[in-house]
Amino acid sequence: QVQLQESGPGLVKPSETLSLTCAVSGYSISSGYYWGWIRQPPGKGLEWIGSIYHSGSTYYNPSLKSRVTISVDTSKNQFSLKLSSVTAADTAVYYCARHDYGGNSYYFDYWGQGTLVTVSS
Amino acid sequence: SSELTQDPAVSVALGQTVRITCQGDSLRSYYASWYQQKPGQAPVLVIYGKNNRPSGIPDRFSGSSSGNTASLTITGAQAEDEADYYCNSRDSSGNWVFGGGTKLTVL
Repeated sequence: QVQLQESGPGLVKPSETLSLTCAVSGYSISSGYYWGWIRQPPGKGLEWIGSIYHSGSTYYNPSLKSRVTISVDTSKNQFSLKLSSVTAADTAVYYCARHDYGGNSYYFDYWGQGTLVTVSS
Repeated sequence: SSELTQDPAVSVALGQTVRITCQGDSLRSYYASWYQQKPGQAPVLVIYGKNNRPSGIPDRFSGSSSGNTASLTITGAQAEDEADYYCNSRDSSGNWVFGGGTKLTVL
């Protein structure tokens, strides 16, 4: 059973960098799939932040691209998100997820439980 | 366009059939995937591909697609189906995009 678990600070100051890690169990990241980050501001919808392929190729939401970095640590079987220069608008529940391709469709099949990150001084 | 458009809210009487739609240019190239999200919980994949259900998803959930519109149909809606539903697809730029979500109320 594949499981994902987000971890990181729940409070970040404005202008600082938000850093989160997603630990994966039940599957080796280096073996395949895309691994992504999605966020959800309080009371709002889902927003894709970015994804990394197991080979290391990265894909970022154009609206966040200048501030986002996603990386993989295969030795720890985890992947990470860094979002720089945060503002209150970055306050959200952050989810990590695995996504796959099949039947001419991309889909997020396993999700972490989500972690709330609040940007405030 | 890389946007996916959903109706903000839909309601259905208990036991009746409801269709939730998602429109966007990317749906001409890829089938949508659909997610159910209940309050305080992570999203759950309910439909992907032409009409595929992950293990554990009831067969009252089905998917279809025509042109730039994808649809999620719940046949015989149950009280536990009340939730937010989101569509997702990959766009022509290689990025992923979610629809704005549809809040389903079961009356």
